[in-house]
Amino acid sequence: KAGVTQTPRYLIKTRGQQVTLSCSPISGHRSVSWYQQTPGQGLQFLFEYFSETQRNKGNFPGRFSGRQFSNSRSEMNVSTLELGDSALYLCASSLVGQGGEKLFFGSGTQLSVL
Amino acid sequence: GESVGLHLPTLSVQEGDNSIINCAYSNSASDYFIWYKQESGKGPQFIIDIRSNMDKRQGQRVTVLLNKTVKHLSLQIAATQPGDSAVYFCAGALGGYNKLIFGAGTRLAVHP
Repeated sequence: KAGVTQTPRYLIKTRGQQVTLSCSPISGHRSVSWYQQTPGQGLQFLFEYFSETQRNKGNFPGRFSGRQFSNSRSEMNVSTLELGDSALYLCASSLVGQGGEKLFFGSGTQLSVL
Repeated sequence: GESVGLHLPTLSVQEGDNSIINCAYSNSASDYFIWYKQESGKGPQFIIDIRSNMDKRQGQRVTVLLNKTVKHLSLQIAATQPGDSAVYFCAGALGGYNKLIFGAGTRLAVHP
């Protein structure tokens, strides 16, 4: 079974631009979560989607948004990029997103904002 | 507030020795804890988990201990191997959905 797939692997953007990252969960998984990883803040929860609905959200500004499609694939968007948005963005999937389910992570998208 | 932190940022061990990585958490309501391993260029990989109604859980070469009294979690790796070199994260979750609060991470360096 294929794992969680994230595209692109690397991105370079400039301040003020927007970016869209893509995540394909493991087949059969309906819950997709996004995390931001930086050296300073570590891994921080962005949001979680299930059945095309955002169920949970972390403490990030509204510039960070996401969506989920009917096939469970998910995208996250960051608008008006800032230097501090440079990070590894990780997507994780699980069956239905219940507490105690194993989360499977992708390899991430490394975003650099110049 | 919610936080899960680690005592040591870097741990160096000799190949074959046992490793112990520690973690403290602040939210006593967390009822599920997980240890992840992250190798360079990869996403976190599940190692072992434990629910708050347990004190100990064993896997293959790994053991997780949970002390709810002092809000402390540890990961023990037996007979550490070079392939165990990575950053290890503890994470806690509060019932319901899989919203994980991660610790800062500990880098484990295994020397031959």
